[in-house]
Amino acid sequence: QVHMKESGPGLVKPSETLSLTCQVSGGSLNDYYWSWIRQPPGKGLEWIGYVDHSGNTRYNPSLRSRVTTSADTSKNQFSLKLISVTAADTAIYYCARTLRDYLYSGINDSWGQGIPVTVSS
Amino acid sequence: EIVMTQSPATLSVSPGERATLFCRASQTVGSSLAWYQQKPGQAPRLLMYAASTRATATPARFIGSGSGTDFTLTITSLQSEDCAVYYCQQYDNWPPITFGQGTRLEIK
Repeated sequence: QVHMKESGPGLVKPSETLSLTCQVSGGSLNDYYWSWIRQPPGKGLEWIGYVDHSGNTRYNPSLRSRVTTSADTSKNQFSLKLISVTAADTAIYYCARTLRDYLYSGINDSWGQGIPVTVSS
Repeated sequence: EIVMTQSPATLSVSPGERATLFCRASQTVGSSLAWYQQKPGQAPRLLMYAASTRATATPARFIGSGSGTDFTLTITSLQSEDCAVYYCQQYDNWPPITFGQGTRLEIK
């Protein structure tokens, strides 16, 4: 059974770059998309984007200009970089496994525990 | 972008009774609709997909229905452990994947 865990700084200064990593265990990066999803305090879920094992990416148009995702198959992990952060980027950030087969592409069937990130000086 | 709208925002139901949650898409998504359950302090968990197929470990009291733009999640005989926020998500036309704003289910 796949297990995912996010890591990275819990505090980022405004205008700086938020960098997170998701370590995947119990399965390889092949055959799935690997997504980042965030949840501002007391609010709903926002899909940020995904990367696959080949480095192919797709992003939410609302964040596309500031987001980069990448995958490291040798370490079985994938990463998120969000530049020029503001207080509006304060949220719990989740990594998730996203199905990519024809019928069920887009379903997030497994999630990490989440990591809270605060943007503040 | 497909906008997902859930109602009601909050629902309060007594144990043993039925809870009905609604999700509407701004355009048709066929049956490409998933439901997630998020308990306090936890990550969301996949509950239902393809509108009516229960995910692994989802109890039979959870019933999904609908297609096109209107969907329903029914919880028959509500249990105390069902207290959570429920989100719908479309995966018919993405990116972006889009979620509803959630329905908070409270136990009376």
